[in-house]
Amino acid sequence: AQSVAQPEDQVNVAEGNPLTVKCTYSVSGNPYLFWYVQYPNRGLQFLLKYITGDNLVKGSYGFEAEFNKSQTSFHLKKPSALVSDSALYFCAVRISSGSARQLTFGSGTQLTVLP
Amino acid sequence: NAGVTQTPKFQVLKTGQSMTLQCAQDMNHNSMYWYRQDPGMGLRLIYYSASEGTTDKGEVPNGYNVSRLNKREFSLRLESAAPSQTSVYFCASSEERTDGYTFGSGTRLTVV
Repeated sequence: AQSVAQPEDQVNVAEGNPLTVKCTYSVSGNPYLFWYVQYPNRGLQFLLKYITGDNLVKGSYGFEAEFNKSQTSFHLKKPSALVSDSALYFCAVRISSGSARQLTFGSGTQLTVLP
Repeated sequence: NAGVTQTPKFQVLKTGQSMTLQCAQDMNHNSMYWYRQDPGMGLRLIYYSASEGTTDKGEVPNGYNVSRLNKREFSLRLESAAPSQTSVYFCASSEERTDGYTFGSGTRLTVV
């Protein structure tokens, strides 16, 4: 079985400050990890993914995420938050082998960047 | 533009009515998925199709059926709608295991 936990329903940060959205995962085997963003009344948009290699992954809109195998975490980060980053963020995991290809999503974290 | 197209965007049903949500992708992806999104619960997988001609149950399949009509199209059917099926439904597709999903824009369904 595979699962993802996003421990914070809501994260508030001031514009210009660094932001972190937390994600931990549980899989049997090696994980493929993803972050998506959802703006109001829109579908989910891909931000970045970790497949293998460098533990620091860079993605769209200046976001990055750090894969930590020992802590089974994949936290999303941005050095300087913008008001336009305010949205709902989802972490997702997929196992790297076997027949199952579906992603399992976390419950989402609402990020609000305050001007 | 290439992507995933869902219809309709909005729908209101009465309890007991049936309807089919349509999804089509033009990226030649093998795998397609139906998820529902409910507040505080993230996205939950209803059904998926790993390839044309195959379908499998996900986490919350009860009350739904699916059809993988061809490689492009994957429809979701509610035979007898219930208020508990009020949700936002998303279709998605992907190719390789290392790929993320491409999502449609969603169908907002209300069952009264």
